[in-house]
Amino acid sequence: QQQVKQSPQSLIVQKGGISIINCAYENTAFDYFPWYQQFPGKGPALLIAIRPDVSEKKEGRFTISFNKSAKQFSLHIMDSQPGDSATYFCAASDLTGANNLFFGTGTRLTVIP
Amino acid sequence: DAMVIQNPRYQVTQFGKPVTLSCSQTLNHNVMYWYQQKSSQAPKLLFHYYDKDFNNEADTPDNFQSRRPNTSFCFLDIRSPGLGDAAMYLCATSRGSPGVGNEQFFGPGTRLTVL
Repeated sequence: QQQVKQSPQSLIVQKGGISIINCAYENTAFDYFPWYQQFPGKGPALLIAIRPDVSEKKEGRFTISFNKSAKQFSLHIMDSQPGDSATYFCAASDLTGANNLFFGTGTRLTVIP
Repeated sequence: DAMVIQNPRYQVTQFGKPVTLSCSQTLNHNVMYWYQQKSSQAPKLLFHYYDKDFNNEADTPDNFQSRRPNTSFCFLDIRSPGLGDAAMYLCATSRGSPGVGNEQFFGPGTRLTVL
């Protein structure tokens, strides 16, 4: 059973546009929602993360929107750039000691110049 | 800079020939994880060490073993690699204390090819 569902599977955006990736979860024990960015041949890198006590977190061009009642969260990339082309994974965890992450299936983002 | 290091970055082995992948960390984190990631898929957790305590995922094949001789190093042993084991293997670490700051940090991965 997929604990975190992610969509779309792939996304093509024009340079300067907004990229939006959506995730949904079921387990209400999750209280930590990170986004990882992965370039081909590299390991995932933590991009931005949110706790459920806030509805939005912004870091530069990257914003997480969080809807606790709907159990959904999304990543918005403003002014998308070709260098943002990568695979993005959402994840969820309960932040306990072992902090096991449950990953979404990934979104391959392509930003066209 | 504190980091997670994986060696080698690329490993080629023959079908059935044992192989060992290495991970080291300078973060002094208590938890170390091994993931398998196949093309266009999310990382799949194989097992993790919380200090010296080994935690195996239920669906991890017996063909995969791990060793953690000290805090800094962790090894992934594949006893008899099959063609289906060709993948990127990712090591990650986390502090291990519940709460904020317990994020996972990933190494660059080792790309395993099985001939």
